[in-house]
Amino acid sequence: GAGVSQTPSNKVTEKGKYVELRCDPISGHTALYWYRQSLGQGPEFLIYFQGTGAADDSGLPNDRFFAVRPEGSVSTLKIQRTERGDSAVYLCASSHSGNEQFFGPGTRLTVL
Amino acid sequence: AQSVTQLDSHVSVSEGTPVLLRCNYSSSYSPSLFWYVQHPNKGLQLLLKYTSAATLVKGINGFEAEFKKSETSFHLTKPSAHMSDAAEYFCVVTLSGNTGKLIFGQGTTLQVKP
Repeated sequence: GAGVSQTPSNKVTEKGKYVELRCDPISGHTALYWYRQSLGQGPEFLIYFQGTGAADDSGLPNDRFFAVRPEGSVSTLKIQRTERGDSAVYLCASSHSGNEQFFGPGTRLTVL
Repeated sequence: AQSVTQLDSHVSVSEGTPVLLRCNYSSSYSPSLFWYVQHPNKGLQLLLKYTSAATLVKGINGFEAEFKKSETSFHLTKPSAHMSDAAEYFCVVTLSGNTGKLIFGQGTTLQVKP
């Protein structure tokens, strides 16, 4: 009965480095979403997976951001050449057949 | 395109008094509307949702919201605030039936004073 989990909970990195953020959705949920929440803002959509494929990646800000979900369960958000502006809380959510999205606690990314 | 505007960034009420958090939406199509709550250091939690059924929607913890198409509003209310209601609240829109992205408002911080 576990909810959505995200690791790490906090990540501090230096400008220019590569980071990976992991999301474990609720078991059986076919849809998985990534959002980014900057300080004082509402979450912003990044990408949505249905199964293994990205059904909508219109929110990815540029080609430094990439996400995968190779087996239709766990997903990894990858950020290359991190910039200070990438600092935010990255949220993952999952849902079953387009119903309510259940959110994880987020990964707080700080780029120094 | 869909969007939401939360009219107040911060609302302060006394415990036991009514809560009103205001939200206006913009949508070219029939929208689905939601309110989510975010407590400090906790994940976003769905309070309630409107998906073109009854216009008055009841949610968890005594919250409710009314969809008013003529006013393009979806305000969140609660008759009597509790200290535990202090949190960040987000009004959210998506295309009705769409299984994709949620579009969040900027958020309203609710403060509840004893």
